[in-house]
Amino acid sequence: DAGITQSPRHKVTETGTPVTLRCHQTENHRYMYWYRQDPGHGLRLIHYSYGVKDTDKGEVSDGYSVSRSKTEDFLLTLESATSSQTSVYFCAISESQGRFGTEAFFGQGTRLTVV
Amino acid sequence: KNEVEQSPQNLTAQEGEFITINCSYSVGISALHWLQQHPGGGIVSLFMLSSGKKKHGRLIATINIQEKHSSLHITASHPRDSAVYICAVVGAYNTDKLIFGTGTRLQVFP
Repeated sequence: DAGITQSPRHKVTETGTPVTLRCHQTENHRYMYWYRQDPGHGLRLIHYSYGVKDTDKGEVSDGYSVSRSKTEDFLLTLESATSSQTSVYFCAISESQGRFGTEAFFGQGTRLTVV
Repeated sequence: KNEVEQSPQNLTAQEGEFITINCSYSVGISALHWLQQHPGGGIVSLFMLSSGKKKHGRLIATINIQEKHSSLHITASHPRDSAVYICAVVGAYNTDKLIFGTGTRLQVFP
């Protein structure tokens, strides 16, 4: 299995509080991604990174920010959590040279509940 | 309309049955992925295809680029195959991102 670790695996937080999710990889892959998974929707891209300090927005980026200060870590921050951000969040990585034209690897997911 | 459509959305089968899950897409692609997600679990990559057919154990994936269609087959299904199967495509001109289908939930009963 590819070395991807998400933390925490589960979190309950209150509306209005900041939350940070961490994705850690040991594969030295250049590309890292944050997705959210909700019933009735396919996984939707929040943000992605194509290198240290290089990030870009996905299709559902409002209310989220990311940072990548090291190759191995990609952080997703909800600045002020809302109930609509209750979801399961997945981190993914892809190989340094091939993007998603090569195999994709996913983390175990983080279940976030905003009450 | 979603760019990636899967059918059926839900599927139940008896152990031993042959299973087919379909994926149709409306965009030009450079690759297609089949993924598996067990209840409460992470997502595992099963196959990445750009043409033809691939086989791994009891799983077979095929793709027809002209018809913009892919199928995932499971032979001799087993209860441990119960999971959500997700199709995702890589755009022909933007290989940075995956476009996902909404998944097919499979339950295999003993």
